[in-house]
Amino acid sequence: DAKTTQPTSMDCAEGRAANLPCNHSTISGNEYVYWYRQIHSQGPQYIIHGLKNNETNEMASLIITEDRKSSTLILPHATLRDTAVYYCIVRTRDAGNNRKLIWGLGTSLAVNP
Amino acid sequence: NAGVMQNPRHLVRRRGQEARLRCSPMKGHSHVYWYRQLPEEGLKFMVYLQKENIIDESGMPKERFSAEFPKEGPSILRIQQVVRGDSAAYFCASSTYDSGLTEAFFGQGTRLTVV
Repeated sequence: DAKTTQPTSMDCAEGRAANLPCNHSTISGNEYVYWYRQIHSQGPQYIIHGLKNNETNEMASLIITEDRKSSTLILPHATLRDTAVYYCIVRTRDAGNNRKLIWGLGTSLAVNP
Repeated sequence: NAGVMQNPRHLVRRRGQEARLRCSPMKGHSHVYWYRQLPEEGLKFMVYLQKENIIDESGMPKERFSAEFPKEGPSILRIQQVVRGDSAAYFCASSTYDSGLTEAFFGQGTRLTVV
């Protein structure tokens, strides 16, 4: 399974863009990058995923480098409610199309007023 | 469309008792995953089930833990003879299956406390 590396914590000012990096240098060609977040005491929430191309949805943008060894999650206008732990996950695939997710410790993002 | 429902939200058990955690997947979802989260740690995969089938239980402890997802009704994670080390948040997720990308939707978790 490809592993990911994320900074332990980050700070961001409210209203500014939050850029959360993730390294996944051992990612293989058919593995996708997923981002989830977990607000304190709640269940994880899906944010976005991608394979090669940059992706954008109503929550965030995902920028994946051309060599796919790293990616950045961008929250364009962070609010206090975006304070959470953000997990970058590379999804495992095996012969059985198992979709289990391998979680690291994530990045604890603090959005400050 | 209701999300993934887990109950109870909080469960307190004495050592040696049984704990039953329930998960009702989102409507139309036939795949269920259980994860455990210890304090200050990331989620750890436990088991992946489809209706009436266990697909991957590689993360389940060998003893005392079992899971099922019957044809009708919620998925159940059962922990027999609980010990203090079982205290954790247990999250259930569900997804559809197709050849493309699907993301898993999580419930709010059951926080088990063993006293």
